[in-house]
Amino acid sequence: EDQVTQSPEALRLQEGESSSLNCSYTVSGLRGLFWYRQDPGKGPEFLFTLYSAGEEKEKERLKATLTKKESFLHITAPKPEDSATYLCAGPGMNYGGSQGNLIFGKGTKLSVKP
Amino acid sequence: EAGVAQSPRYKIIEKRQSVAFWCNPISGHATLYWYQQILGQGPKLLIQFQNNGVVDDSQLPKDRFSAERLKGVDSTLKIQPAKLEDSAVYLCASSLSGANEQFFGPGTRLTVL
Repeated sequence: EDQVTQSPEALRLQEGESSSLNCSYTVSGLRGLFWYRQDPGKGPEFLFTLYSAGEEKEKERLKATLTKKESFLHITAPKPEDSATYLCAGPGMNYGGSQGNLIFGKGTKLSVKP
Repeated sequence: EAGVAQSPRYKIIEKRQSVAFWCNPISGHATLYWYQQILGQGPKLLIQFQNNGVVDDSQLPKDRFSAERLKGVDSTLKIQPAKLEDSAVYLCASSLSGANEQFFGPGTRLTVL
């Protein structure tokens, strides 16, 4: 069964304290790995898509990387406004063409204290 | 560009009652998804439409849940009758086509008492 596992479940950082979130997956034939940010009471906000091992993408203080078995979301010098739940998603078995079913992990809840 | 619109934002009902949610996707997006997100979990896909046809409804509890997208734009998701375990946030998302980035609406928080 395809699975996406995120760790840690929760992470508390001081402002400026860099760290990384992990997403591991058992989806065979990876066709995309997605990162989303979700604020309380809101829907997930798209951040990145990674397609191949070694690929990296950056947005402000966030950098996502991908290996053959896992992805990391690196947060450099975080600020309180980076506090949110970060969700990772991999494609389901039938993903591709017209099929877009994503399998989401449970997320990592990040808190950044000033 | 307007995002995905959903209504209502909150709904409280008694078990065995019925409820309906509405979604208007981003203009031009052919693919529309309904997800269920239980507290502390990631979203779980319920149903995917491509234009007005169903692509994937394998995880939709069809004995109580139904969804339609009659004109290939707006969609409604209905639960009848509701159970306590249906308490969750129901998220609508859209994308240009199936294998593209999905953009989510704000969700509808359903509480079943």
